[in-house]
Amino acid sequence: SQTIHQWPATLVQPVGSPLSLECTVEGTSNPNLYWYRQAAGRGLQLLFYSVGIGQISSEVPQNLSASRPQDRQFILSSKKLLLSDSGFYLCAWSANRGPNNSPLHFGNGTRLTVT
Amino acid sequence: AQSVTQPDIHITVSEGASLELRCNYSYGATPYLFWYVQSPGQGLQLLLKYFSGDTLVQGIKGFEAEFKRSQSSFNLRKPSVHWSDAAEYFCAVGASDGFQKLVFGTGTRLLVSP
Repeated sequence: SQTIHQWPATLVQPVGSPLSLECTVEGTSNPNLYWYRQAAGRGLQLLFYSVGIGQISSEVPQNLSASRPQDRQFILSSKKLLLSDSGFYLCAWSANRGPNNSPLHFGNGTRLTVT
Repeated sequence: AQSVTQPDIHITVSEGASLELRCNYSYGATPYLFWYVQSPGQGLQLLLKYFSGDTLVQGIKGFEAEFKRSQSSFNLRKPSVHWSDAAEYFCAVGASDGFQKLVFGTGTRLLVSP
């Protein structure tokens, strides 16, 4: 069966420090990968998605970047964190099945607090 | 572009009572519709999905949802709520273009009273 791992679960970082959140998927190949951010009262906002190694699409301009160095690895990064980067970050994957959508499967999230 | 509205931020239901969570969507073509549940501090779990066919879909944990095209709605229902159902519920709509770019509503927090 497929599993998704996301770490760390919680993170407290000072303003201006770098960030690296990692997400890996097991039990499937060539998944679509996603980073979402959840802010209180604002639902989930899609930040990045990837359909393959090295292919990253950004949904919103921001202080963050994403990379996909391997088929089942998705990394969210920042060179210098801002206070506004605080939030709950969720990684997700879906099967890459062409015209048929498959559900999103989410990791357990990372609570990031920028101080 | 797609959009989703969940008009209720909070809902309180007595244990054993029925539940209906509202979801309205906006999308020009046939949408793919989803309901997810999130327990505190956790990721989201898929409850059910609608792609096509029967407009009443059954999900896990005794939930169901009905797609009503004329009302652009996809309301979630459960006939008898359990205390363990207390969580946040998200409705989402996806484009029928073969890629899973979901747009989520802002969520409804369900509180269950004894």
